[in-house]
Amino acid sequence: GENVEQHPSTLSVQEGDSAVIKCTYSDSASNYFPWYKQELGKGPQLIIDIRSNVGEKKDQRIAVTLNKTAKHFSLHITETQPEDSAVYFCAARMDTGRRALTFGSGTRLQVQP
Amino acid sequence: DAMVIQNPRYQVTQFGKPVTLSCSQTLNHNVMYWYQQKSSQAPKLLFHYYDKDFNNEADTPDNFQSRRPNTSFCFLDIRSPGLGDAAMYLCATSIIGVGYNEQFFGPGTRLTVL
Repeated sequence: GENVEQHPSTLSVQEGDSAVIKCTYSDSASNYFPWYKQELGKGPQLIIDIRSNVGEKKDQRIAVTLNKTAKHFSLHITETQPEDSAVYFCAARMDTGRRALTFGSGTRLQVQP
Repeated sequence: DAMVIQNPRYQVTQFGKPVTLSCSQTLNHNVMYWYQQKSSQAPKLLFHYYDKDFNNEADTPDNFQSRRPNTSFCFLDIRSPGLGDAAMYLCATSIIGVGYNEQFFGPGTRLTVL
């Protein structure tokens, strides 16, 4: 089955700096890669996703890049703000078979004001 | 707004006392999932329904059961909760079709077992 590894487990940045979180996946058949933000006591919220036919996607301060050959994808947050502080999960899935997400272990991002 | 709703948000039960968590959705999605999330861990899939087709994960304990009486509702039954079952339980939905992949989560139910 799919295995997703996520790094780092914790990340502390100063407000205004950029943050990068990296994930690798094992199953080359995976073709959908979402990123979720989870605030304390809440369910995960989808913030951005990318499909395997695209190498990069941007949405305001958030971007995701995908390298299919190397089987890794990254989340980039620019101009970080204190409200970006949360746990971020990457995930992977293939669009055949189970269609269940395999999650990374999560990154706790702390943005220092 | 269309959404995934979970009730209750907080549930306290006693060791061994059956408990039912509920999830409803107004998205009309054909797939509903139940995840267990323990502190500082990623969500772990317990099972999912594709329409009425029930799919159990191989490592989901028999103590966990699920029902989906219609498209909008899905229930998680824990027959005999143990201390190790204390966790956040997340319901999610998705629609399977060309171009649709997003999975939307509810706010979760935090289960405490005394």
